Amino acid sequence: DGGITQSPKYLFRKEGQNVTLSCEQNLNHDAMYWYRQDPGQGLRLIYYSQIVNDFQKGDIAEGYSVSREKKESFPLTVTSAQKNPTAFYLCASSTGTGVSPLHFGNGTRLTVT
Amino acid sequence: AQSVTQPDIHITVSEGASLELRCNYSYGATPYLFWYVQSPGQGLQLLLKYFSGDTLVQGIKGFEAEFKRSQSSFNLRKPSVHWSDAAEYFCAVVSNNAGNMLTFGGGTRLMVKP
Repeated sequence: DGGITQSPKYLFRKEGQNVTLSCEQNLNHDAMYWYRQDPGQGLRLIYYSQIVNDFQKGDIAEGYSVSREKKESFPLTVTSAQKNPTAFYLCASSTGTGVSPLHFGNGTRLTVT
Repeated sequence: AQSVTQPDIHITVSEGASLELRCNYSYGATPYLFWYVQSPGQGLQLLLKYFSGDTLVQGIKGFEAEFKRSQSSFNLRKPSVHWSDAAEYFCAVVSNNAGNMLTFGGGTRLMVKP
C-alpha cells in the first residue's frame, strides 16, 4: 500500500546536536511538507517542497533545514540553532496539483535534553 | 492572512450522544475546507473536505460538515458518537490563491464517556 513513512518514531538527542528526521513516500506525490505540532497549537508549517531540488520556508523555518534530492524523500534536519526542538514532527505529501488533501505520516517525537 | 479558530479545546460527550465541533475561518478568498482526525501519537487522517457545491458534505466514519459562508463556519457533526471517536480533530483551510498551504486550527480534543 502507498503511504508515508517517518522514522524513527521516537528520537532522543542531547542539546547542541543536530538530528535528521526521515520522511519517505511512495505515493508519487510531487509536494512534500514538514509540520511541527505542539500541544494546543495545532500544526505549524516548517518547510515545503513542490518539486525536486526546490523547497520553501514555512512559518517557522528558523533552526531547521531540508533537502529534496529525490521525489520520494524529504528529510528534515533540526539544528542546534532551534531553541525549542522538543516536539512532534509530521511529514505530509500531496499531488501538488491545485488544492489537494494532505496525506500524513505517523510522526516522529523528538525529545532534546 | 487566513486563520482558523476552533473555540473548544476539549469536549466530552457520552457514547451515543450527538457531536458538533466548531470551526470558524477568516480570510477573503474562496475557501477550501478540511477536517482531519488524529489518534494519539499518530498522523492526521482526512475526514472530509469542502471545495464547492453542496454545502453539506459527508465524510468517513459517519461524520458530516456544513459550510456556512454567512457565518464563516465549517462545523463538524456526528449524530451518534462511538468510543472509538475519541481523538483530536483539526479544521484546516486554504484559500484559492495560496497554493496548497493549509492553515490549521488549534484542534479540539474529544473525549467519550461510556
